[in-house]
Amino acid sequence: NAGVTQTPKFQVLKTGQSMTLQCAQDMNHNSMYWYRQDPGMGLRLIYYSASEGTTDKGEVPNGYNVSRLNKREFSLRLESAAPSQTSVYFCASSDSAGGPGGTDTQYFGPGTRLTVL
Amino acid sequence: AQSVAQPEDQVNVAEGNPLTVKCTYSVSGNPYLFWYVQYPNRGLQFLLKYITGDNLVKGSYGFEAEFNKSQTSFHLKKPSALVSDSALYFCAVGFYNTDKLIFGTGTRLQVFP
Repeated sequence: NAGVTQTPKFQVLKTGQSMTLQCAQDMNHNSMYWYRQDPGMGLRLIYYSASEGTTDKGEVPNGYNVSRLNKREFSLRLESAAPSQTSVYFCASSDSAGGPGGTDTQYFGPGTRLTVL
Repeated sequence: AQSVAQPEDQVNVAEGNPLTVKCTYSVSGNPYLFWYVQYPNRGLQFLLKYITGDNLVKGSYGFEAEFNKSQTSFHLKKPSALVSDSALYFCAVGFYNTDKLIFGTGTRLQVFP
């Protein structure tokens, strides 16, 4: 049981390049999330998916797109990377089917450290 | 607006002493409150959460937190700190009608031998 996995672990891009960050979970969770972590800012939600086939914007969605490929996988795409997108990106998942939204524990992947030059 | 605040960027404590990491929140309605810990170069790990019921919540690694509705606080505590507790701690708040969490900015705990 691997939990939440993310690839790649590290990535360096040049301004304007594109890339996709991959996330998968093996806990059969309904909800998945993408966050970015910046010093002094904590974690900020980029996009989330409450169920397969649905996605919604979080606090900082500009410059990103997401795809909930199936129940297990949730990818984050940067179409044209900018230096402001240099950050550590975390994927998380939770099982929100058990009760009111917002009560369920989120489980995090190990993160992807992205640098945009 | 819904928000959560961690007023201290860093907390320093000697090993064996009690520790407190502070968290306050501002939400409408009943909050669901969480503490997560992040060790260097790792993802966040769940410590404990308050949903309803007993205001004192016990979690992993000997940590506990007390929900105080009148002071809108959810401070994290441990009676005797260990050097291995040194990490970045995040408070987060959830809400009834959404799966989203709002995270605080984090508090770095440094436990000195």
